[in-house]
Amino acid sequence: DAGVIQSPRHEVTEMGQEVTLRCKPISGHNSLFWYRQTMMRGLELLIYFNNNVPIDDSGMPEDRFSAKMPNASFSTLKIQPSEPRDSAVYFCASSRQGQARETQYFGPGTRLLVL
Amino acid sequence: AQSVTQLDSQVPVFEEAPVELRCNYSSSVSVYLFWYVQYPNQGLQLLLKYLSGSTLVESINGFEAEFNKSQTSFHLRKPSVHISDTAEYFCAVSGNEKLTFGTGTRLTIIP
Repeated sequence: DAGVIQSPRHEVTEMGQEVTLRCKPISGHNSLFWYRQTMMRGLELLIYFNNNVPIDDSGMPEDRFSAKMPNASFSTLKIQPSEPRDSAVYFCASSRQGQARETQYFGPGTRLLVL
Repeated sequence: AQSVTQLDSQVPVFEEAPVELRCNYSSSVSVYLFWYVQYPNQGLQLLLKYLSGSTLVESINGFEAEFNKSQTSFHLRKPSVHISDTAEYFCAVSGNEKLTFGTGTRLTIIP
């Protein structure tokens, strides 16, 4: 299996620009998670989907962030407008089902730098 | 609500020495417990997990962790570390569908 695929791997943009991060989960996985990792705050869950439906977006920092999952094989995380404090590594993860006992499989991450 | 505490942010250990990475959790419901490892510039990957049954769980590369319900702990141990174990280790707890991670422990192996 190819594992979770994220693109781009690195993104450098200027403050105020729109940023779109992409994720392809493992085929057959029904749950998808977006995380943000920073030195200051560690690993934070932003939002997760079950069967393409957003279940919990309480971790989304503010209205500038939005996430979609139009089908079982694709999800996007969008930041508009971006700010320097959004600089972080963003991970996508997937699991077979949205159950507490399931292992989450992480992608390699997108390293975002907002200047 | 659930939470995870990893008290040690960094642990330096000499090669071939034993190591213990500490993890304590709190939860109002029954939990599942995980250790994930993150190698430099990579995503997290599962090291081992406790779901039920035997309280001692092992990984394929020599790590083990013991679930201690009375002490609400899930410490990770290895009797002899190698350079390749250099990574950041995250303890996580799941009592509902959400996985809550600790702040991580950076394990540095000294040759």
